[in-house]
Amino acid sequence: AQSVSQHNHHVILSEAASLELGCNYSYGGTVNLFWYVQYPGQHLQLLLKYFSGDPLVKGIKGFEAEFIKSKFSFNLRKPSVQWSDTAEYFCAVIPPGILTGGGNKLTFGTGTQLKVEL
Amino acid sequence: DAGVTQSPTHLIKTRGQQVTLRCSPKSGHDTVSWYQQALGQGPQFIFQYYEEEERQRGNFPDRFSGHQFPNYSSELNVNALLLGDSALYLCASSLGGRDSPLHFGNGTRLTVT
Repeated sequence: AQSVSQHNHHVILSEAASLELGCNYSYGGTVNLFWYVQYPGQHLQLLLKYFSGDPLVKGIKGFEAEFIKSKFSFNLRKPSVQWSDTAEYFCAVIPPGILTGGGNKLTFGTGTQLKVEL
Repeated sequence: DAGVTQSPTHLIKTRGQQVTLRCSPKSGHDTVSWYQQALGQGPQFIFQYYEEEERQRGNFPDRFSGHQFPNYSSELNVNALLLGDSALYLCASSLGGRDSPLHFGNGTRLTVT
């Protein structure tokens, strides 16, 4: 089935370590890509999005993601994590069939729980 | 401040009962989407309402229904509750177009016993 895969379910890092969270999708054609973050006790917030253009996208709080079309990937990165980055991170896609219809229905991955230790 | 408000925050129901969840979108938004997030899973799309009509629907049975009011607020109704309906139900609002990012509420935690 067409889907979004996040292979790292739990990640533990020390402060100042670099972060890379993987996201792969299995849809052919044009997609819109997103990373959302959910801090403990808070709502889902948009970190960054890719629609077209420069495949390296910069988001809030120092996060960035790179769209590699040939690999169907949209990995999230941050050079130096902070304790406050502890949260659950979700990759999401608007699939081609939805995009052509003008919709914005999201298909989410299962999420990656990131814990940053002091 | 989420901008999107959902009520109630928590709810406990018994199998077979019916439940109604409510959502007020972010000011200026006209489209409301509902997602179900089971424990350990990503949110799954239930349906979307625009101009008081269901515009898109995910793979959920007819027991899940909704409504959008003229003020853009929305309700999610679930009939004949099953244990498997226990989840966090998220409401998201947007301006309806594909370039409009979704703004999520804090969700309603539904427990079915």
